[in-house]
Amino acid sequence: DTAVSQTPKYLVTQMGNDKSIKCEQNLGHDTMYWYKQDSKKFLKIMFSYNNKELIINETVPNRFSPKSPDKAHLNLHINSLELGDSAVYFCASSRGLAGVNEQFFGPGTRLTVL
Amino acid sequence: AQKVTQAQTEISVVEKEDVTLDCVYETRDTTYYLFWYKQPPSGELVFLIRRNSFDEQNEISGRYSWNFQKSTSSFNFTITASQVVDSAVYFCALSEMGYGQNFVFGPGTRLSVLP
Repeated sequence: DTAVSQTPKYLVTQMGNDKSIKCEQNLGHDTMYWYKQDSKKFLKIMFSYNNKELIINETVPNRFSPKSPDKAHLNLHINSLELGDSAVYFCASSRGLAGVNEQFFGPGTRLTVL
Repeated sequence: AQKVTQAQTEISVVEKEDVTLDCVYETRDTTYYLFWYKQPPSGELVFLIRRNSFDEQNEISGRYSWNFQKSTSSFNFTITASQVVDSAVYFCALSEMGYGQNFVFGPGTRLSVLP
């Protein structure tokens, strides 16, 4: 059983397009996250979200938006894709409040913008 | 200024050597959490350890050990008798629980263990 899953695994698209990445966790966790990992392996948190609070990293462009239909899902929508958006995007989840407990990560989605 | 510094960008050791990965953090919060994660070449991120700011006890788990020292704001990670399978990028991370909740990863240390 996959704990945190993401789809798709690879996403290749043109500049200007809108795309979504889906994330699901079956761990019953309260908090979910999205991270961006660039080509130099720097990992940066984009959002953390539980059913009460969305915390947004202020450096994230508003073209990126998380959408949570329920506690087990946190999808990432990206509008007007740019070349600099090319990266690996990781979804994660954890028990309790954001940042307190260990996070379980999905396998990542490699996004390539042409 | 970086909140989490991992000064060693890359380290290479020969199998069976011991290796220590350094992590220095910066925070004004009294309540915070520190983590180490491993990212092997396959790309997944694997949790290794979590420490809260009130627990300075060092921890040992098999060949892995962690040294948390608040006085120097360091949370170093030592692998004893390294193995090729330890080759990975290792990330230290800080979670601040004060006003303006913040979670940040260090830049990572790439460890290569050569046979």
